[in-house]
Amino acid sequence: KNEVEQSPQNLTAQEGEFITINCSYSVGISALHWLQQHPGGGIVSLFMLSSGKKKHGRLIATINIQEKHSSLHITASHPRDSAVYICAVRSSGSARQLTFGSGTQLTVLP
Amino acid sequence: EAGVAQSPRYKIIEKRQSVAFWCNPISGHATLYWYQQILGQGPKLLIQFQNNGVVDDSQLPKDRFSAERLKGVDSTLKIQPAKLEDSAVYLCASSSIAGWGVYEQYFGPGTRLTVT
Repeated sequence: KNEVEQSPQNLTAQEGEFITINCSYSVGISALHWLQQHPGGGIVSLFMLSSGKKKHGRLIATINIQEKHSSLHITASHPRDSAVYICAVRSSGSARQLTFGSGTQLTVLP
Repeated sequence: EAGVAQSPRYKIIEKRQSVAFWCNPISGHATLYWYQQILGQGPKLLIQFQNNGVVDDSQLPKDRFSAERLKGVDSTLKIQPAKLEDSAVYLCASSSIAGWGVYEQYFGPGTRLTVT
């Protein structure tokens, strides 16, 4: 079993829909990252969470430490949101390194 | 602030050939990472440097992969000889805090390697 599991693997939505991507992890963590990867490989950090909730524009990230679960929400989705969204955790025992999920491919149709 | 720079962006080679990738981290970032990302998977850490020293290279296939960061700034990753399964995007990242604690990793655009 992977330490970081994401769901769904692929998601297609219509423009304007509310989108949720889930991440579950099996180890104790010091932080969780949500990353966005566009075609071509570059990765951009969206959020870094250790508790609670963060909001940036149309993006919202939440984390439940007790349940070892995090969600990334996109409100009023737009075709430019189409990308791979990756959850990554820093385990409590190895604060310098990240363990990545396999990503969720999001396609938002106009 | 300039981001993490990588070159080349794309490389196509035949199996058994050699290839080298270059990374220039954000100025002042002591920690540098090389990741391998195979299509459809998340990135996998190959090697982590702290200044010019290796912190973790446990997942680096040392029979064919090597990396160095001689002056604690830019870094090169080499594959010699390449295999078909090395086809992947190679990502470089850097971060500013050397010790324990919560910090951000900043990623470069990646180098897409195709081995034929």
